[in-house]
Amino acid sequence: AQSVAQPEDQVNVAEGNPLTVKCTYSVSGNPYLFWYVQYPNRGLQFLLKYITGDNLVKGSYGFEAEFNKSQTSFHLKKPSALVSDSALYFCAVRDGGSTLGRLYFGRGTQLTVWP
Amino acid sequence: EAGVTQSPTHLIKTRGQQATLRCSPISGHTSVYWYQQALGLGLQFLLWYDEGEERNRGNFPPRFSGRQFPNYSSELNVNALELEDSALYLCASSRPGRQNTGELFFGEGSRLTVL
Repeated sequence: AQSVAQPEDQVNVAEGNPLTVKCTYSVSGNPYLFWYVQYPNRGLQFLLKYITGDNLVKGSYGFEAEFNKSQTSFHLKKPSALVSDSALYFCAVRDGGSTLGRLYFGRGTQLTVWP
Repeated sequence: EAGVTQSPTHLIKTRGQQATLRCSPISGHTSVYWYQQALGLGLQFLLWYDEGEERNRGNFPPRFSGRQFPNYSSELNVNALELEDSALYLCASSRPGRQNTGELFFGEGSRLTVL
């Protein structure tokens, strides 16, 4: 069965510092991995995805994520955090057997970037 | 292109009533997904419709139901409302099979409050 774990409910970083939001996954086949961001009382916005290819994926707003198959991880990173990055971040996975079908989401990590 | 649109934005009901939420996918998208985001529970998968058919259903009681219309829009119906149904209901859409790139595109959600 597919599942996603985001081990940290909250991550706090100072503006200008690098940030990492952790995600580990479990799937029966090859994973399709995604990161989404949610601002208060809004829907989810797509940030980036890993389907195949280069393990380092670059996405919107300067975010990137590294796929690590041996550690079954897909951590979200940004070299220099902004206050405006403060939001709720969700990692999601789908079994790579198809591009269709539900995504399995983690419980989310609240990122706070202080000035 | 217009994004996924959901209505109403907010809905207040009392216990035992019925609620109907609506979703219009992005033009050209044929799959619609419904998720419930209740406080502290993350994103819970409700339903997936593709080409008018229900393809998958999450672990919710039968009083949660829906349908997809020929124009690919969708309705989510919740009967016999309970207090714990209070949540943000998110709709997402995706492209048809051969054009699908894996990610889901989310609407802004419908906030249901049950009193």
